[in-house]
Amino acid sequence: GAGVSQSPRYKVAKRGQDVALRCDPISGHVSLFWYQQALGQGPEFLTYFQNEAQLDKSGLPSDRFFAERPEGSVSTLKIQRTQQEDSAVYLCASSPRGQREFGNEQFFGPGTRLTVL
Amino acid sequence: AQKITQTQPGMFVQEKEAVTLDCTYDTSDPSYGLFWYKQPSSGEMIFLIYQGSYDQQNATEGRYSLNFQKARKSANLVISASQLGDSAMYFCAMREGGNGGSQGNLIFGKGTKLSVKP
Repeated sequence: GAGVSQSPRYKVAKRGQDVALRCDPISGHVSLFWYQQALGQGPEFLTYFQNEAQLDKSGLPSDRFFAERPEGSVSTLKIQRTQQEDSAVYLCASSPRGQREFGNEQFFGPGTRLTVL
Repeated sequence: AQKITQTQPGMFVQEKEAVTLDCTYDTSDPSYGLFWYKQPSSGEMIFLIYQGSYDQQNATEGRYSLNFQKARKSANLVISASQLGDSAMYFCAMREGGNGGSQGNLIFGKGTKLSVKP
């Protein structure tokens, strides 16, 4: 498909486990964003990549959260030692534009629903 | 302070009628963009409409229009001729900064759950 894909769609983890969430952006898209959406809330920004460079990680809630995009395409969000408060939907979005370019295209994936028991 | 405020947690509308979903925003940046997304129960965020801060006319996309009142800092979404498939969560979002400063991340409101009654 031509859209943003994420895997797994659902993940159940025991408290303390590490998890890795994958995002495949639209081919050729320069920008990639991760958002966290808690139940009943709007998405909140976590981190931003332009190609392989992580330009902003100000939204990551703790040092247990780590994201990478080593080749400028696929991105992985890793959460170490998961806690119950990490339970949320994690959304990935990509855009063909880079930093400092103004546009309205931001395409979202279906999200990964993480449940920490 | 909330950057995006959606004051209606839930709204009901009769099928085929129009409905307005409220959104106010707060920014000191002269250049910004305003977005509306639809999120059905499947979870995917579906882009509906966009309004740039310098756009002179209100944005329209099919049955969706954005009532942009810059002085009031409001960006209400109007859905005309509601359909059963319009039942979903609706999120208003803002991107601050234009050329020279924007990285593009969106700031979302808490959303409004719209239910369309047959």
